[in-house]
Amino acid sequence: DTGVSQDPRHKITKRGQNVTFRCDPISEHNRLYWYRQTLGQGPEFLTYFQNEAQLEKSRLLSDRFSAERPKGSFSTLEIQRTEQGDSAMYLCASSLAFGPVDEQFFGPGTRLTVL
Amino acid sequence: DQQVKQNSPSLSVQEGRISILNCDYTNSMFDYFLWYKKYPAEGPTFLISISSIKDKNEDGRFTVFLNKSAKHLSLHIVPSQPGDSAVYFCAASGTNQAGTALIFGKGTTLSVSS
Repeated sequence: DTGVSQDPRHKITKRGQNVTFRCDPISEHNRLYWYRQTLGQGPEFLTYFQNEAQLEKSRLLSDRFSAERPKGSFSTLEIQRTEQGDSAMYLCASSLAFGPVDEQFFGPGTRLTVL
Repeated sequence: DQQVKQNSPSLSVQEGRISILNCDYTNSMFDYFLWYKKYPAEGPTFLISISSIKDKNEDGRFTVFLNKSAKHLSLHIVPSQPGDSAVYFCAASGTNQAGTALIFGKGTTLSVSS
């Protein structure tokens, strides 16, 4: 399977714990995005990388959130001191783009439940 | 303030008929629009896109129409099939947005009955 993969698919944690998610993009894709989706809403942009550089962060990305993409390959999204409001589906997408807009390919998502 | 709006949460259509999903946007700087389809427990799957320099793009059974003056786009599916039953998201992007971030609507759930 050469699509975008995410791990884990589900995560249940207690409030205050730290969690880390991983995204493996399509191998030749240079852009990688993180989105969050809550029930009844569309995906909301969190941050994106071009190669290893994190170029944009949404105001939704509080100081408790950090994302990395070492070596421009896979990416991790860490949430520290989780809160119940962090419960959502976290989606990763990747694209091969040379211009300002592109078609993004999404992974299956990681569903986070904070108890 | 929602910049991309899908005002119909759901749509039911009979197999073989046309499905029309609508989307409105408020930001005149958006210049690229995409439709994604999402099945339960899967990520969104890209369906079709249109640039603001065009007013129509067609791909098989799927056609997207863009009316820039009305800030409105629609997705037509003809003929509709039961396998088309899914949530459809309209998304927009523009060169002045955060990078190439997509701004999504809330989605419309399409049900196609046989």
